[in-house]
Amino acid sequence: AQKITQTQPGMFVQEKEAVTLDCTYDTSDPSYGLFWYKQPSSGEMIFLIYQGSYDQQNATEGRYSLNFQKARKSANLVISASQLGDSAMYFCAMRELGGATNKLIFGTGTLLAVQP
Amino acid sequence: DAGITQSPRYKITETGRQVTLMCHQTWSHSYMFWYRQDLGHGLRLIYYSAAADITDKGEVPDGYVVSRSKTENFPLTLESATRSQTSVYFCASSEGVLRYGYTFGSGTRLTVV
Repeated sequence: AQKITQTQPGMFVQEKEAVTLDCTYDTSDPSYGLFWYKQPSSGEMIFLIYQGSYDQQNATEGRYSLNFQKARKSANLVISASQLGDSAMYFCAMRELGGATNKLIFGTGTLLAVQP
Repeated sequence: DAGITQSPRYKITETGRQVTLMCHQTWSHSYMFWYRQDLGHGLRLIYYSAAADITDKGEVPDGYVVSRSKTENFPLTLESATRSQTSVYFCASSEGVLRYGYTFGSGTRLTVV
């Protein structure tokens, strides 16, 4: 069964520094997609970045990049040049593409606090 | 307005009462989902739907019922609310183009007293 693990309940980072949020996953499906979402204190879920299991390059979206290490089954989110507005809960999620269900399964999240 | 709308935003109900959370999307996305968010558990899938009249259970379906008679609506009903169902509920939709992610509603905060 698919599973997402985020082992960092909370993290601090200084403004303007880079930070890595860890995510490991488990699946027997060779075809899958990995997602990161941001949830600020206002509560909405904001889609950040996507990585497909067959993508040749690591995904990047502005200051967000995904460090995808397929053999280690890890999909860490890297935020460069942290800003105060990056303070939020971050969720890693996965969808297995081999099945027909289109289910998106989430990890437990990492709460990031950016300090001035 | 276009998007995915949940109602109500906040709801307080008593144990044993039936309550329905509404979800409406304007994109005609095929897939719709209900999640609950609880501290320490992240988001857990309750039910999902691949199309109108097609629904299936997720990770935590007990105590919930869904229907999808129209593509744009996906209501979630708690048949007899319990305190353990106090949570924040999110509805989401997807057309299946993964690079665009799944789009979430603003959530419904439900308190069962």
